[in-house]
Amino acid sequence: EDKVVQSPLSLVVHEGDTVTLNCSYEVTNFRSLLWYKQEKKAPTFLFMLTSSGIEKKSGRLSSILDKKELFSILNITATQTGDSAVYLCAPSGGSNYKLTFGKGTLLTVNP
Amino acid sequence: GAGVSQSPSNKVTEKGKDVELRCDPISGHTALYWYRQSLGQGLEFLIYFQGNSAPDKSGLPSDRFSAERTGGSVSTLTIQRTQQEDSAVYLCASRRGWDTQYFGPGTRLTVL
Repeated sequence: EDKVVQSPLSLVVHEGDTVTLNCSYEVTNFRSLLWYKQEKKAPTFLFMLTSSGIEKKSGRLSSILDKKELFSILNITATQTGDSAVYLCAPSGGSNYKLTFGKGTLLTVNP
Repeated sequence: GAGVSQSPSNKVTEKGKDVELRCDPISGHTALYWYRQSLGQGLEFLIYFQGNSAPDKSGLPSDRFSAERTGGSVSTLTIQRTQQEDSAVYLCASRRGWDTQYFGPGTRLTVL
């Protein structure tokens, strides 16, 4: 059975802090790993990672994948209150690219 | 261009009634997925469409759940004889080729 474990489950920081969110996975016929940000209902896409060791970066957010250790991290530097959300890790697998989601990390950034 | 749209955004129904949830994917996206997010739970896969066919229905929780897709575009998820445990946010996502899945705003279903 496919499995995704995210840690920590929740995190409270102050504006300006740097955070690292973790995701470990076991997925049959792995294709890629996606990170989403969920503030209300709809997850919004952050990154798609397919290759090990290549960092993807967007502004203050960056992410990297380790396909040997079955692990990914999402870093957010200089956090802002607008970063407060649930961050979801979702590897895709199989011929249908089905996503398996972790329970997410609830990040709260206080002013 | 327009993103994935879903309707209604909220639906309150009585136990035992049937409901239909609609998803309009991004134009040109051939793959369409339905997911469900229950309170305190992660998103769980329900069904996958490629074009109008559904090669993977493995996530549908019971035979009260069904879905169809017509014209390679709009999809409808139908829940018959709703139960309280069906209360959740139902999310639709679409994908083109190797690309990312993009999610709609979801339908929050409440079964009283």
